[in-house]
Amino acid sequence: DAGVTQSPTHLIKTRGQQVTLRCSPKSGHDTVSWYQQALGQGPQFIFQYYEEEERQRGNFPDRFSGHQFPNYSSELNVNALLLGDSALYLCASSTWVGGYGYTFGSGTRLTVV
Amino acid sequence: DAKTTQPTSMDCAEGRAANLPCNHSTISGNEYVYWYRQIHSQGPQYIIHGLKNNETNEMASLIITEDRKSSTLILPHATLRDTAVYYCIVRPLFQGAQKLVFGQGTRLTINP
Repeated sequence: DAGVTQSPTHLIKTRGQQVTLRCSPKSGHDTVSWYQQALGQGPQFIFQYYEEEERQRGNFPDRFSGHQFPNYSSELNVNALLLGDSALYLCASSTWVGGYGYTFGSGTRLTVV
Repeated sequence: DAKTTQPTSMDCAEGRAANLPCNHSTISGNEYVYWYRQIHSQGPQYIIHGLKNNETNEMASLIITEDRKSSTLILPHATLRDTAVYYCIVRPLFQGAQKLVFGQGTRLTINP
């Protein structure tokens, strides 16, 4: 049973560019959350999607947007990239009702130069 | 902001028990204590959770004080592969819109 799959694993972008990161949740999970983890810090919550709608959002600017598809997979888009957006981006899946644990992917390492 | 306080780092000898403390003095009655760990360059991994009773699974044991203001994660026989950052998190059991709020965690180093 596949866990959470994220792509790509690594990415290098230039300031001002746009990037799209992808996530396939664990089988049976219907909720996807995205986290940003800067070097040496704990993951910070970006937003969460359920039933193709953004349900909760952390303290991130509108440059960060997302989407969830009918098959529960999700995308994270970041526009007008800044050097400070360089981080590990983690996707976590879970079930909206019941359940107790999040399953995280291995993340996408984004470097902005 | 994270609702938990953990030591920044700890060391433990291989084969010994690793005891990781966590303070959550403002925990609410409906909040559980969760532990996750993050091995270098990987995503966080769920370890265990509990409400007020001690819990044990194949990975670890969780001891929660009677007043629920603190807890200890115990890795009974630590191995080198247990070297990781360990996060203690409090949140309600059911998912819904509840996010995980990570603090800085405890960097546990297992020494040979």
